[in-house]
Amino acid sequence: EVQLVESGGDLVQPGGSLRLSCAASGFTFSNDEMNWVRQAPGKGLEWVSYISSSGDTVYYADFVKGRFTISRDNAKNSLFLQMNSLSAEDTAVYYCVRDRSPVGTEFDPWGQGTLVTVSS
Amino acid sequence: QSVLTQPPSVSAAPGQKVTISCSGSTSNIGYNYVSWYQHLPGTAPKLLIYGDDKRPSGIPDRFSGSKSGTSATLGITGLQTGDEADYYCGTWDNSLSAVVFGGGTKLTVL
Repeated sequence: EVQLVESGGDLVQPGGSLRLSCAASGFTFSNDEMNWVRQAPGKGLEWVSYISSSGDTVYYADFVKGRFTISRDNAKNSLFLQMNSLSAEDTAVYYCVRDRSPVGTEFDPWGQGTLVTVSS
Repeated sequence: QSVLTQPPSVSAAPGQKVTISCSGSTSNIGYNYVSWYQHLPGTAPKLLIYGDDKRPSGIPDRFSGSKSGTSATLGITGLQTGDEADYYCGTWDNSLSAVVFGGGTKLTVL
């Protein structure tokens, strides 16, 4: 079974940092592009970041550029999101998502998500 | 404000058909494949449609996708109460070098 399991979500103070992890199983992780997508309370889905299968290419949403860093360890089937300078607006459930195809967005599957709460 | 525009809500009776629109531009829908996702509260979003009009295995043929120009449409026939969820369109935007989603449409099955 193809599965993604996120971890690392927590309550953090404004200005703080957090590192999210995503453990992948059931597929050849090193072959697939990966993304982070978030959903703030009461809001819609919001793409955060992309990383190529090799890790050579990354993209970020404008609102996280310079603050968040996406990375992966293909030997450990793991995806990461380092989040710095967090603010209340970053409070959200963060989903780890596989993109099944290099042509177009085929986000499948999605992890169950990990909750990040930024508050003093 | 989302790059892709969806109606905030749609509703229809059980057994009926509903369509959800997703409007974009030449830098996103007009040039790239569109996908659709179903999101039930408390669960992980699920891929419903990819490549504009293709269904992953396990998705019933009650769900369909189409695209014309810079707009895409999700169709759901034979509505069931279990279809009540939020639906999102998504695609890549060449100008932004980013994945963009619609704001989401809440489907109510009356």
